[in-house]
Amino acid sequence: DVKVTQSSRYLVKRTGEKVFLECVQDMDHENMFWYRQDPGLGLRLIYFSYDVKMKEKGDIPEGYSVSREKKERFSLILESASTNQTSMYLCASRVGGTPGANVLTFGAGSRLTVL
Amino acid sequence: AQTVTQSQPEMSVQEAETVTLSCTYDTSESDYYLFWYKQPPSRQMILVIRQEAYKQQNATENRFSVNFQKAAKSFSLKISDSQLGDAAMYFCASCGATNKLIFGTGTLLAVQP
Repeated sequence: DVKVTQSSRYLVKRTGEKVFLECVQDMDHENMFWYRQDPGLGLRLIYFSYDVKMKEKGDIPEGYSVSREKKERFSLILESASTNQTSMYLCASRVGGTPGANVLTFGAGSRLTVL
Repeated sequence: AQTVTQSQPEMSVQEAETVTLSCTYDTSESDYYLFWYKQPPSRQMILVIRQEAYKQQNATENRFSVNFQKAAKSFSLKISDSQLGDAAMYFCASCGATNKLIFGTGTLLAVQP
Protein backbone atom coordinates (compact mmCIF):
# COMPACT_ATOMS: atom_id res chain seq x y z
CA ASP A 1 0.00 0.00 0.00
CA VAL A 2 1.06 3.55 -0.69
CA LYS A 3 2.12 5.35 2.40
CA VAL A 4 1.97 9.10 2.83
CA THR A 5 3.77 10.26 5.94
CA GLN A 6 3.43 13.69 7.48
CA SER A 7 6.34 14.39 9.76
CA SER A 8 4.44 16.10 12.58
CA ARG A 9 1.04 15.12 13.91
CA TYR A 10 0.73 18.14 16.23
CA LEU A 11 2.61 21.41 16.20
CA VAL A 12 2.35 24.56 18.29
CA LYS A 13 4.06 27.67 16.94
CA ARG A 14 4.21 31.35 17.73
CA THR A 15 2.95 34.14 15.51
CA GLY A 16 5.66 35.20 13.09
CA GLU A 17 7.57 31.92 13.19
CA LYS A 18 8.56 30.14 10.00
CA VAL A 19 6.88 26.74 9.87
CA PHE A 20 7.73 23.73 7.74
CA LEU A 21 5.26 20.90 7.22
CA GLU A 22 6.86 17.88 5.58
CA CYS A 23 5.21 15.16 3.57
CA VAL A 24 6.83 12.04 2.14
CA GLN A 25 5.29 9.35 -0.07
CA ASP A 26 6.88 6.03 -0.85
CA MET A 27 5.28 4.95 -4.15
CA ASP A 28 6.86 7.17 -6.76
CA HIS A 29 3.70 9.25 -7.26
CA GLU A 30 4.00 12.20 -9.60
CA ASN A 31 1.30 14.37 -8.08
CA MET A 32 1.27 15.72 -4.55
CA PHE A 33 -1.16 18.06 -2.82
CA TRP A 34 -1.53 20.17 0.31
CA TYR A 35 -5.01 20.80 1.67
CA ARG A 36 -6.23 22.72 4.65
CA GLN A 37 -9.23 21.34 6.59
CA ASP A 38 -11.42 23.59 8.71
CA PRO A 39 -14.82 22.83 10.29
CA GLY A 40 -17.65 23.95 8.05
CA LEU A 41 -15.29 24.71 5.18
CA GLY A 42 -14.22 21.21 4.19
CA LEU A 43 -10.89 20.72 2.45
CA ARG A 44 -9.41 23.60 0.52
CA LEU A 45 -6.48 23.18 -1.84
CA ILE A 46 -3.44 25.27 -1.00
CA TYR A 47 -0.87 24.08 -3.56
CA PHE A 48 -0.21 21.06 -5.68
CA SER A 49 2.74 19.71 -7.60
CA TYR A 50 2.58 17.47 -10.63
CA ASP A 51 6.33 16.82 -10.82
CA VAL A 52 9.64 17.66 -9.21
CA LYS A 53 10.23 21.41 -9.01
CA MET A 54 6.77 22.03 -10.50
CA LYS A 55 4.02 23.65 -8.49
CA GLU A 56 0.66 25.27 -9.01
CA LYS A 57 -1.43 27.42 -6.76
CA GLY A 58 -4.64 26.04 -5.43
CA ASP A 59 -7.58 28.01 -4.14
CA ILE A 60 -5.99 29.52 -1.01
CA PRO A 61 -2.22 29.94 -1.59
CA GLU A 62 -1.86 33.26 0.22
CA GLY A 63 0.56 33.04 3.13
CA TYR A 64 1.97 29.71 1.99
CA SER A 65 4.72 28.44 -0.25
CA VAL A 66 5.85 24.95 -1.22
CA SER A 67 8.97 23.10 -2.20
CA ARG A 68 9.43 19.90 -4.14
CA GLU A 69 13.09 19.17 -4.70
CA LYS A 70 12.66 15.39 -4.72
CA LYS A 71 9.82 13.36 -6.11
CA GLU A 72 8.91 11.76 -2.80
CA ARG A 73 8.87 14.93 -0.69
CA PHE A 74 6.52 17.90 -0.75
CA SER A 75 6.97 20.61 1.85
CA LEU A 76 4.51 23.30 2.87
CA ILE A 77 6.05 26.47 4.24
CA LEU A 78 4.43 29.20 6.29
CA GLU A 79 6.87 32.08 5.99
CA SER A 80 5.41 33.99 8.94
CA ALA A 81 2.75 32.04 10.77
CA SER A 82 -0.42 33.83 11.79
CA THR A 83 -3.25 32.78 14.08
CA ASN A 84 -5.62 32.39 11.13
CA GLN A 85 -3.40 29.60 9.86
CA THR A 86 -4.33 27.44 12.83
CA SER A 87 -5.80 24.41 11.12
CA MET A 88 -5.47 20.76 10.12
CA TYR A 89 -3.19 20.31 7.12
CA LEU A 90 -3.54 17.25 4.92
CA CYS A 91 -1.02 16.02 2.38
CA ALA A 92 -2.02 13.67 -0.43
CA SER A 93 -0.46 12.02 -3.44
CA ARG A 94 -1.44 10.09 -6.55
CA VAL A 95 0.07 8.79 -9.75
CA GLY A 96 0.02 11.04 -12.81
CA GLY A 97 -2.17 10.49 -15.83
CA THR A 98 -5.83 11.25 -16.34
CA PRO A 99 -6.93 13.67 -13.64
CA GLY A 100 -9.44 12.05 -11.38
CA ALA A 101 -8.85 8.57 -12.67
CA ASN A 102 -6.36 7.92 -9.95
CA VAL A 103 -7.25 8.03 -6.31
CA LEU A 104 -5.67 10.33 -3.76
CA THR A 105 -3.84 8.72 -0.85
CA PHE A 106 -3.85 10.94 2.21
CA GLY A 107 -1.51 11.34 5.11
CA ALA A 108 -2.74 11.34 8.70
CA GLY A 109 -2.71 15.14 8.90
CA SER A 110 -0.76 17.76 10.81
CA ARG A 111 -2.69 19.84 13.31
CA LEU A 112 -1.05 23.24 13.59
CA THR A 113 -1.84 25.72 16.34
CA VAL A 114 -0.44 29.24 16.04
CA LEU A 115 -0.46 31.24 19.27
CA ALA B 1 -14.80 26.78 -11.75
CA GLN B 2 -15.90 23.62 -10.04
CA THR B 3 -17.96 23.73 -6.89
CA VAL B 4 -19.23 20.96 -4.65
CA THR B 5 -22.07 21.45 -2.17
CA GLN B 6 -23.05 19.20 0.71
CA SER B 7 -26.16 20.60 2.34
CA GLN B 8 -26.31 18.21 5.31
CA PRO B 9 -23.73 19.11 7.96
CA GLU B 10 -24.81 16.17 10.13
CA MET B 11 -26.81 13.00 9.67
CA SER B 12 -27.74 10.14 11.95
CA VAL B 13 -28.76 6.57 11.18
CA GLN B 14 -29.66 3.52 13.19
CA GLU B 15 -27.41 0.51 12.93
CA ALA B 16 -28.53 -1.81 10.08
CA GLU B 17 -30.62 0.94 8.47
CA THR B 18 -29.99 2.80 5.22
CA VAL B 19 -28.91 6.40 4.93
CA THR B 20 -28.38 8.70 1.95
CA LEU B 21 -25.92 11.58 1.94
CA SER B 22 -26.54 14.37 -0.57
CA CYS B 23 -24.09 16.13 -2.84
CA THR B 24 -24.52 18.54 -5.72
CA TYR B 25 -21.79 19.90 -7.92
CA ASP B 26 -21.25 22.36 -10.67
CA THR B 27 -18.75 22.12 -13.49
CA SER B 28 -18.42 23.34 -17.02
CA GLU B 29 -16.33 20.35 -18.04
CA SER B 30 -17.67 17.46 -20.03
CA ASP B 31 -15.29 14.89 -18.62
CA TYR B 32 -14.89 14.66 -14.87
CA TYR B 33 -14.85 12.28 -11.95
CA LEU B 34 -16.82 12.29 -8.72
CA PHE B 35 -15.77 10.78 -5.42
CA TRP B 36 -16.93 10.08 -1.91
CA TYR B 37 -14.20 10.05 0.74
CA LYS B 38 -14.56 8.94 4.35
CA GLN B 39 -12.63 10.41 7.29
CA PRO B 40 -13.09 8.35 10.48
CA PRO B 41 -12.41 10.14 13.78
CA SER B 42 -8.68 10.83 14.13
CA ARG B 43 -7.90 8.62 11.16
CA GLN B 44 -6.82 9.06 7.57
CA MET B 45 -9.12 9.99 4.74
CA ILE B 46 -9.92 7.04 2.51
CA LEU B 47 -11.81 6.59 -0.74
CA VAL B 48 -15.28 5.10 -0.48
CA ILE B 49 -16.44 5.14 -4.08
CA ARG B 50 -15.71 6.77 -7.44
CA GLN B 51 -17.87 7.59 -10.46
CA GLU B 52 -16.76 8.54 -13.95
CA ALA B 53 -19.12 11.11 -15.43
CA TYR B 54 -19.32 9.48 -18.84
CA LYS B 55 -20.56 6.23 -17.34
CA GLN B 56 -24.30 6.10 -16.90
CA GLN B 57 -24.26 3.12 -14.58
CA ASN B 58 -24.13 4.02 -10.91
CA ALA B 59 -21.02 2.85 -9.08
CA THR B 60 -21.36 0.29 -6.29
CA GLU B 61 -18.90 -0.93 -3.68
CA ASN B 62 -20.39 -3.53 -1.37
CA ARG B 63 -22.81 -1.64 0.96
CA PHE B 64 -22.03 1.70 -0.67
CA SER B 65 -23.69 2.91 -3.84
CA VAL B 66 -24.25 6.21 -5.57
CA ASN B 67 -27.17 7.81 -7.33
CA PHE B 68 -25.58 9.83 -10.10
CA GLN B 69 -27.96 12.23 -11.83
CA LYS B 70 -25.83 13.98 -14.42
CA ALA B 71 -28.43 16.41 -15.70
CA ALA B 72 -29.28 17.50 -12.17
CA LYS B 73 -25.58 17.50 -11.18
CA SER B 74 -26.39 15.38 -8.19
CA PHE B 75 -24.22 12.64 -6.69
CA SER B 76 -25.66 11.11 -3.54
CA LEU B 77 -24.17 8.28 -1.48
CA LYS B 78 -26.31 5.49 -0.11
CA ILE B 79 -25.03 3.38 2.75
CA SER B 80 -27.00 0.19 3.28
CA ASP B 81 -27.00 -1.94 6.43
CA SER B 82 -25.17 0.79 8.34
CA GLN B 83 -22.49 -0.33 10.76
CA LEU B 84 -20.90 1.39 13.74
CA GLY B 85 -17.66 1.63 11.76
CA ASP B 86 -19.41 3.77 9.17
CA ALA B 87 -19.47 6.69 11.61
CA ALA B 88 -17.24 9.32 10.06
CA MET B 89 -17.08 12.58 8.17
CA TYR B 90 -17.97 12.02 4.52
CA PHE B 91 -16.72 14.32 1.81
CA CYS B 92 -17.98 14.56 -1.74
CA ALA B 93 -15.41 15.69 -4.32
CA SER B 94 -15.04 16.31 -8.02
CA CYS B 95 -12.08 16.40 -10.35
CA GLY B 96 -11.85 17.55 -13.94
CA ALA B 97 -9.13 18.34 -16.41
CA THR B 98 -7.53 20.90 -14.10
CA ASN B 99 -6.14 18.04 -12.02
CA LYS B 100 -7.51 19.57 -8.83
CA LEU B 101 -9.79 17.63 -6.54
CA ILE B 102 -12.44 19.99 -5.14
CA PHE B 103 -14.16 18.95 -1.94
CA GLY B 104 -17.46 19.79 -0.33
CA THR B 105 -17.82 20.88 3.29
CA GLY B 106 -18.54 17.39 4.57
CA THR B 107 -21.35 15.51 6.31
CA LEU B 108 -20.78 14.08 9.76
CA LEU B 109 -22.53 10.72 10.00
CA ALA B 110 -23.42 9.25 13.37
CA VAL B 111 -24.49 5.61 13.65
CA GLN B 112 -26.74 4.80 16.59
CA PRO B 113 -26.56 1.29 18.07
